Amino acid sequence: GAVVSQHPSRVICKSGTSVKIECRSLDFQATTMFWYRQFPKKSLMLMATSNEGSKATYEQGVEKDKFLINHASLTLSTLTVTSAHPEDSSFYICSAARAGRGHEQYFGPGTRLTVT
Amino acid sequence: AQRVTQPEKLLSVFKGAPVELKCNYSYSGSPELFWYVQYSRQRLQLLLRHISRESIKGFTADLNKGETSFHLKKPFAQEEDSAMYYCALAEGSNYKLTFGKGTLLTVNP
Repeated sequence: GAVVSQHPSRVICKSGTSVKIECRSLDFQATTMFWYRQFPKKSLMLMATSNEGSKATYEQGVEKDKFLINHASLTLSTLTVTSAHPEDSSFYICSAARAGRGHEQYFGPGTRLTVT
Repeated sequence: AQRVTQPEKLLSVFKGAPVELKCNYSYSGSPELFWYVQYSRQRLQLLLRHISRESIKGFTADLNKGETSFHLKKPFAQEEDSAMYYCALAEGSNYKLTFGKGTLLTVNP
């Protein structure tokens, strides 16, 4: 149990366009979901914390108007990268905290975004 | 502010040798610490959490509050242990995790 999926796994888009990434908890309800960005050979950088039905909380330095997060249900969160630029190219990973499991997070497989 | 330090970016050992991946933290409250592992081309997954006090895949980690450490240990490393290991510290009631920069463990045959 505790599987998190992400879609798409890989996306290429043109500069200036927007792209949406979905994160789903398949077999549990996620009280909180998180979005991370992972740079090559570097650690995960938390971008924002998302709670169902409320506005996401963004980390310092993360532009909330550029990285739109919607948490529509206890099993789905979406990240939309608006007006993408090549510097937004990265590996985006979501995770979900399971109700009753405290701080334990379950991670999605990640989405490779390439902006041309 | 809380911080997690993994001093070694790379660690290489031979199969059968003991391995220790270091993790130090700074946090003013009562810490909850985790080790996550990422095998090649796989997603990040939880290896163990300090409150469970369990051994997973032969790995153990003990929280040392005096030294503010949570080092991961295994007495006899296996080749399949080769992976990226991240130490993480949980913060407050919003379930945020702060990750260390990770240590890439390579176990040579």
